[in-house]
Amino acid sequence: AQSVTQLGSHVSVSEGALVLLRCNYSSSVPPYLFWYVQYPNQGLQLLLKYTSAATLVKGINGFEAEFKKSETSFHLTKPSAHMSDAAEYFCAVSEGDSGGYQKVTFGTGTKLQVIP
Amino acid sequence: DAGVTQSPTHLIKTRGQQVTLRCSPKSGHDTVSWYQQALGQGPQFIFQYYEEEERQRGNFPDRFSGHQFPNYSSELNVNALLLGDSALYLCASSRTDSSTDTQYFGPGTRLTVL
Repeated sequence: AQSVTQLGSHVSVSEGALVLLRCNYSSSVPPYLFWYVQYPNQGLQLLLKYTSAATLVKGINGFEAEFKKSETSFHLTKPSAHMSDAAEYFCAVSEGDSGGYQKVTFGTGTKLQVIP
Repeated sequence: DAGVTQSPTHLIKTRGQQVTLRCSPKSGHDTVSWYQQALGQGPQFIFQYYEEEERQRGNFPDRFSGHQFPNYSSELNVNALLLGDSALYLCASSRTDSSTDTQYFGPGTRLTVL
């Protein structure tokens, strides 16, 4: 069974500082991995996705994530935090072939606070 | 190109009532998944519809049911509402033949059960 663990339910960084949000996954097959962002009272917006191509994935708004199979990790980073990055971030894993069932399992989320 | 749309945006019901939530998928998508997101939690998978059939189901009771129409839109029905059903209900659409398995989410319906 697939699962996702996000370390740290709350992370605070200063504006301009490095953002690092941690995600570890468990999967019995090569996974698809995703990071989503959720602003207050809104749905989820896809930031980036890993689909077994390049291990370093670049997403929107300057975010990127690196897939490390040996560490079963998919941490999200951004070199310089902006006030608009304050939101909740969810890591997610999807198993199975692309032509079939697409259950996505989400982590519990990390709330990012950006301090001016 | 319209993304995933959901209606209504907010809903207030009382215990024991029934509710229907609606979702229209992104253009070109044929698969719809429903999630429940309780306050402070990550989304939890309810079920997925493809070709008007329920393809997979999460750990939710039979009070939660759904339907998919020929135009790929979908409904989520919840019977005998409980206080614990209060949550944000998210719909996500995808293409079954997509090689990237990406789900795109709607803005959600906030359900409050009093």
